[in-house]
Amino acid sequence: DAGVIQSPRHEVTEMGQEVTLRCKPISGHDYLFWYRQTMMRGLELLIYFNNNVPIDDSGMPEDRFSAKMPNASFSTLKIQPSEPRDSAVYFCASTQGTGYTFGSGTRLTVV
Amino acid sequence: SQQGEEDPQALSIQEGENATMNCSYKTSINNLQWYRQNSGRGLVHLILIRSNEREKHSGRLRVTLDTSKKSSSLLITASRAADTASYFCATDKNTGNQFYFGTGTSLTVIP
Repeated sequence: DAGVIQSPRHEVTEMGQEVTLRCKPISGHDYLFWYRQTMMRGLELLIYFNNNVPIDDSGMPEDRFSAKMPNASFSTLKIQPSEPRDSAVYFCASTQGTGYTFGSGTRLTVV
Repeated sequence: SQQGEEDPQALSIQEGENATMNCSYKTSINNLQWYRQNSGRGLVHLILIRSNEREKHSGRLRVTLDTSKKSSSLLITASRAADTASYFCATDKNTGNQFYFGTGTSLTVIP
């Protein structure tokens, strides 16, 4: 198994632009999580899905953030419009009940 | 917040020595996990300990859990330079599958 795959690895965008981050979880894992990591705030849980259904999105910082999981093998996290304070590393993780498997992350820089 | 706090924030030891990291959390849990993060990479699951367990071993890792004190420790024995990384504890909510991560301990093992 190739593990959790995230794309792109790096994204640099201008303030106000739309950004879409992508994640392919491990096949058979029925939970998918989006986390954001910054030096100031550490790892923050943004949203998680169970069987493609959003269960808890209370960590999504603002309406500018949205996440979808149209099928068991794909999820997106969209920021529209992006702001400099959104700069962070965004991780996707999946699990089927015990330990999480994390992707390598997307480093987002908003200038 | 369910977030755990690791102590110390940073630890530097010589190769061959043991490293101990501590995690404290605020409310009751079902499970506690420890993860490692190498610089610029995603988190890697190390070990999960359930609330009814007091100690667990995996190779050179030993994890203890004291639910009365709401604390856990991770011991790495006979450390190696390759153990240099940040280590995080993660705790769950009693009713959910989401885990909340602490602030991490940065471990440096000097060859």
